[in-house]
Amino acid sequence: DAGITQSPRHKVTETGTPVTLRCHQTENHRYMYWYRQDPGHGLRLIHYSYGVKDTDKGEVSDGYSVSRSKTEDFLLTLESATSSQTSVYFCAISVVPPSETYEQYFGPGTRLTVT
Amino acid sequence: TQLLEQSPQFLSIQEGENLTVYCNSSSVFSSLQWYRQEPGEGPVLLVTVVTGGEVKKLKRLTFQFGDARKDSSLHITAAQPGDTGLYLCAGAFWNNNAGNMLTFGGGTRLMVKP
Repeated sequence: DAGITQSPRHKVTETGTPVTLRCHQTENHRYMYWYRQDPGHGLRLIHYSYGVKDTDKGEVSDGYSVSRSKTEDFLLTLESATSSQTSVYFCAISVVPPSETYEQYFGPGTRLTVT
Repeated sequence: TQLLEQSPQFLSIQEGENLTVYCNSSSVFSSLQWYRQEPGEGPVLLVTVVTGGEVKKLKRLTFQFGDARKDSSLHITAAQPGDTGLYLCAGAFWNNNAGNMLTFGGGTRLMVKP
């Protein structure tokens, strides 16, 4: 357990409204990631962060923005939600075990429905 | 974009049968990870393979990394209903900014019937 929580766990919102999802970690990990999961696509990277105020785009970043003002919190914002953003969103962190193999651990996910 | 093709997409078998899931790419990865995901939860890391040709065993699960580090397989012996779930492979490569970048396969949804 890497101490990752996500909120909310479920949300239904209307097209055109802004939505913010929160990822919180308790272990001061440097690297944090936001993914979306859709059937048949596995997980696709939206944005990532490599430190406080240090973020960059992933594979599917259009329509999303992120912020990281504290080590423990990584926020994902849908600026104007669309039905194509209906998905399950996962936050992840990277840890470095003694073997130096970087591995990612995932939060429980947020199911977002845009109507 | 580095692509990982995972097959089969769906697999429904009887308890006690063996199965193999494949993960293939034209790209070389520094390591390859296998995850298992249950409904309503996040993926959980099962194993990381790092060296070309490496084989790791986790009880009835055997993971192999291809010699060229482009492909991997997961073999389950004598499958049990508790093995039911979504299996995901992920190829890893290091990025100086992002840290450990993962490219995921599309997943294999396994159902093991009693």
